[in-house]
Amino acid sequence: SQQGEEDPQALSIQEGENATMNCSYKTSINNLQWYRQNSGRGLVHLILIRSNEREKHSGRLRVTLDTSKKSSSLLITASRAADTASYFCATTTGGYSTLTFGKGTMLLVSP
Amino acid sequence: DAGVIQSPRHEVTEMGQEVTLRCKPISGHNSLFWYRQTMMRGLELLIYFNNNVPIDDSGMPEDRFSAKMPNASFSTLKIQPSEPRDSAVYFCASSISRGSGNTIYFGEGSWLTVV
Repeated sequence: SQQGEEDPQALSIQEGENATMNCSYKTSINNLQWYRQNSGRGLVHLILIRSNEREKHSGRLRVTLDTSKKSSSLLITASRAADTASYFCATTTGGYSTLTFGKGTMLLVSP
Repeated sequence: DAGVIQSPRHEVTEMGQEVTLRCKPISGHNSLFWYRQTMMRGLELLIYFNNNVPIDDSGMPEDRFSAKMPNASFSTLKIQPSEPRDSAVYFCASSISRGSGNTIYFGEGSWLTVV
């Protein structure tokens, strides 16, 4: 069953614009991670934010976490055509090492 | 590092046939995961091994599915007999388990079509 739900399901923007994707989850988490999947490929880890963190940056990526609202957002600044992919949030809960994924947001960045 | 290696990358098989998917995790990783991805259901965890021992197999759909990890560098996922509804992309992933906060590294997937 999905723990995280991404919103929107699909997003289409122009190169240079910012892209914001949101993730909501249901139960308390240890951490939340974002992954990217290019068409026909495996998932690639982007960034991890722990439950006691509120914001994290990595290059053009900015992730926020609001545990009171059980939500996270991924912001990609100055998007490029190469950012076209599906983006998934994933959570770990309890003592487990497993990740539970949402259904993802499909991002299309047009040149 | 070569990353997680899966084989075959693509397989088309007839209903009723046995399918075996193979995975070599990243050397030194002690956790291994099998996920299945479909358009309808997204990414589902099938089974999770830690130190070669199955820890959580609650996601395995039914008895037709079985997974083994005979050693730290090899795992198989077997479907017998296969059915059209098993058509999906099957991902193997591995990580170093240190409680919470593990980054999971995915293979490129095995694309299975059962006709």
